[in-house]
Amino acid sequence: ILNVEQSPQSLHVQEGDSTNFTCSFPSSNFYALHWYRWETAKSPEALFVMTLNGDEKKKGRISATLNTKEGYSYLYIKGSQPEDSATYLCAPSRGSTLGRLYFGRGTQLTVWP
Amino acid sequence: GAGVSQTPSNKVTEKGKYVELRCDPISGHTALYWYRQSLGQGPEFLIYFQGTGAADDSGLPNDRFFAVRPEGSVSTLKIQRTERGDSAVYLCASRSGGATDTQYFGPGTRLTVL
Repeated sequence: ILNVEQSPQSLHVQEGDSTNFTCSFPSSNFYALHWYRWETAKSPEALFVMTLNGDEKKKGRISATLNTKEGYSYLYIKGSQPEDSATYLCAPSRGSTLGRLYFGRGTQLTVWP
Repeated sequence: GAGVSQTPSNKVTEKGKYVELRCDPISGHTALYWYRQSLGQGPEFLIYFQGTGAADDSGLPNDRFFAVRPEGSVSTLKIQRTERGDSAVYLCASRSGGATDTQYFGPGTRLTVL
């Protein structure tokens, strides 16, 4: 078991607002950090995989940063849109466990038009 | 190309019954994972296949759960004597390449045990 914490648990914002979430995890034996977006009744969609301390990745209006030394990652959404409404999950993997992902409980984002 | 598919999408069964959940991974992906998400939790690892063999089954909760992947592609998760606590969304993921590569998920099977 790995203690992966995501905050906030839920978030409601207005269309056009920018927002960010936090994922914290044990820094020991870190291997990679995955972010997923999961909309109801759909497959979880992979957003990013990050491995290096200081990594920053961007996909459209969404970006993420990684700090492996202190064990956290931030996900940012710029100019939120209603279609961004989903649960955002982070999942680190560890070097000894063959890619097995340890998921947090997620941040549920609702963007109001 | 086609993504990961899972069948059925929903399964309702009675306590004590046997169920099978199927996963069709992306063609050519040698690694396959099963996870399950219970209400209010994040997905939890169940089992990992590399090819036909289960490389890590440490997440299976007890011996009522079993999974196979006989030809290294399709996988079936089997649950005997289902209990109400088995109700969850069962997710399957596949990947190619190394352990840090992206895992591609199917839409899940929602299992409800009455």
